[in-house]
Amino acid sequence: AQTVTQSQPEMSVQEAETVTLSCTYDTSENNYYLFWYKQPPSRQMILVIRQEAYKQQNATENRFSVNFQKAAKSFSLKISDSQLGDTAMYFCAFMKHSISFHAGKSTFGDGTTLTVKP
Amino acid sequence: ETGVTQTPRHLVMGMTNKKSLKCEQHLGHNAMYWYKQSAKKPLELMFVYNFKEQTENNSVPSRFSPECPNSSHLFLHLHTLQPEDSALYLCASSGALSTGELFFGEGSRLTVL
Repeated sequence: AQTVTQSQPEMSVQEAETVTLSCTYDTSENNYYLFWYKQPPSRQMILVIRQEAYKQQNATENRFSVNFQKAAKSFSLKISDSQLGDTAMYFCAFMKHSISFHAGKSTFGDGTTLTVKP
Repeated sequence: ETGVTQTPRHLVMGMTNKKSLKCEQHLGHNAMYWYKQSAKKPLELMFVYNFKEQTENNSVPSRFSPECPNSSHLFLHLHTLQPEDSALYLCASSGALSTGELFFGEGSRLTVL
């Protein structure tokens, strides 16, 4: 079974600064996906960024980037130029690679509540 | 804005009531999921449906009864719930071409008195 650990229950950052959220996972799989999801207060959870385990290059999406260390089973999220709208709970998630049309099961961490301060 | 719609957004029910949560996705996805989100706990996967067939029941008590009449609709029927069942229930969907990404609804906040 897979486990995902987010060791920072709460974090805060000043607007325009950079913050890094930590995530580690445990798996015996070699082919899998990792995700960061964002859940703003009272709003739906959305995908922030995705990383395929077979890709060595770290994924980036505008101000969001990851540091994927496969050997260390670490997957941290860096948010640059933090904005007030980044205030949310962030979840790290793991999913084993599955064949096409197969419904995958994602394992989530406990979440990190990030507050961006003006 | 959202491709996954959940109703009702808020529900208060007594322990003897019977109610249902509804989820509808407009994304053409083949898989739909129910997750339970409680305070201080990670998201708990409850049920998975793929092409209308249940592929996962994560040891969920029988007082929760899912129904998936087609790939676009998912229900969660609730009866004789307990106060500890109070939580945010999230519906999600995924498709074959989305490389595992889940698309979530806004959730149904359930309070059991």
